Amino acid sequence: AQSVAQPEDQVNVAEGNPLTVKCTYSVSGNPYLFWYVQYPNRGLQFLLKYITGDNLVKGSYGFEAEFNKSQTSFHLKKPSALVSDSALYFCAVRDRDNFNKFYFGSGTKLNVKP
Amino acid sequence: GAGVSQSPSNKVTEKGKDVELRCDPISGHTALYWYRQRLGQGLEFLIYFQGNSAPDKSGLPSDRFSAERTGESVSTLTIQRTQQEDSAVYLCASSLVGTGTKETQYFGPGTRLLVL
Repeated sequence: AQSVAQPEDQVNVAEGNPLTVKCTYSVSGNPYLFWYVQYPNRGLQFLLKYITGDNLVKGSYGFEAEFNKSQTSFHLKKPSALVSDSALYFCAVRDRDNFNKFYFGSGTKLNVKP
Repeated sequence: GAGVSQSPSNKVTEKGKDVELRCDPISGHTALYWYRQRLGQGLEFLIYFQGNSAPDKSGLPSDRFSAERTGESVSTLTIQRTQQEDSAVYLCASSLVGTGTKETQYFGPGTRLLVL
């Protein structure tokens, strides 16, 4: 079955430090992988995606993510966190062999402290 | 151009009443999704429309939930005989279907439903 796992409900990091939000996936075929961010009382915003090509994907607001096929992971990273990065982050996968559902992780709350 | 819009933004209703939620996708987007997000939780897939194909209703939690979409335009999600556990934010998203940059889902702001 297709699934996405975000093992951490919450990640705490100090401003200026690097951050990582973890995501692993399970799909039968080759995946399309996405990260979305949700700020309080707002809808989800697209951050970045991996479709094909370079395993390191750069997205909005200085975020990047690395596709690791052997570990079936797509961790979100940023070299230097900002307080304004505090939000809820969702990893999602879309099965290339089934262009129907997106499968979303349960979300990780990122808290960046000054 | 305009993004995905949803109405109403907030809806308070009494238990047992029916509610109808509306989603206007981005023009030209053939795919449309409905999700439910309970407080502090992740996204729960409800239903997916793709062009004129039969919708994927596998995520609808009960027969009280139904959705319609006319062509590639507006969609409505109807909840009959609402229950308190239906209280959540209902999110709509749309996308093109294809390869490359077309797979990204664009989300609306959601409808916050409260059933008293």
